[in-house]
Amino acid sequence: DADVTQTPRNRITKTGKRIMLECSQTKGHDRMYWYRQDPGLGLRLIYYSFDVKDINKGEISDGYSVSRQAQAKFSLSLESAIPNQTALYFCATSDRLSIETQYFGPGTRLLVL
Amino acid sequence: AQSVTQLGSHVSVSEGALVLLRCNYSSSVPPYLFWYVQYPNQGLQLLLKYTTGATLVKGINGFEAEFKKSETSFHLTKPSAHMSDAAEYFCAVTRRSNNNDMRFGAGTRLTVKP
Repeated sequence: DADVTQTPRNRITKTGKRIMLECSQTKGHDRMYWYRQDPGLGLRLIYYSFDVKDINKGEISDGYSVSRQAQAKFSLSLESAIPNQTALYFCATSDRLSIETQYFGPGTRLLVL
Repeated sequence: AQSVTQLGSHVSVSEGALVLLRCNYSSSVPPYLFWYVQYPNQGLQLLLKYTTGATLVKGINGFEAEFKKSETSFHLTKPSAHMSDAAEYFCAVTRRSNNNDMRFGAGTRLTVKP
């Protein structure tokens, strides 16, 4: 579903580097989320945002930061990447009128060496 | 906090056979329950959801799931598997009052044999 896009789709970086993953949506949703997926662990919530001025930590926010530049854009940053941040990262959105249903982007596969 | 347990990280069925993927949840408040499917190299796609009302919910691609409060279960079924059903399936739960705390199961990889 091209309504939620993520860039880059794949990224290799080195320990200690700062990187940013970007998410854009054309669905007009006000709520956006960042998850990471690890084999055998499912998806875990990193950060979520209910609007541009409302950002909240999720289950596993340590080592990450986010920026909601506009309603349609939500970026995830790793200030100093470490190998255990190697994972598949997903952005998701939901609408305030149907908040229980989230729409996911295609994911960004990140490898930290 | 709520949680989800998916029994079986891998399930293999023959084409045409019944698909049964198991999900049990834990929640201290009435839950919203979901099944998502993830095809290779793609994001998650909503298959079906239970919020309120009828406990048997039908989703896309012939899948359905039944909310059983007494068993705290939300198992996913499909009468006849197709090759195209091969994917990873995730069960998820959130509280009715607050969906920012959605919890996912570890996933079940479904293989369909010809």
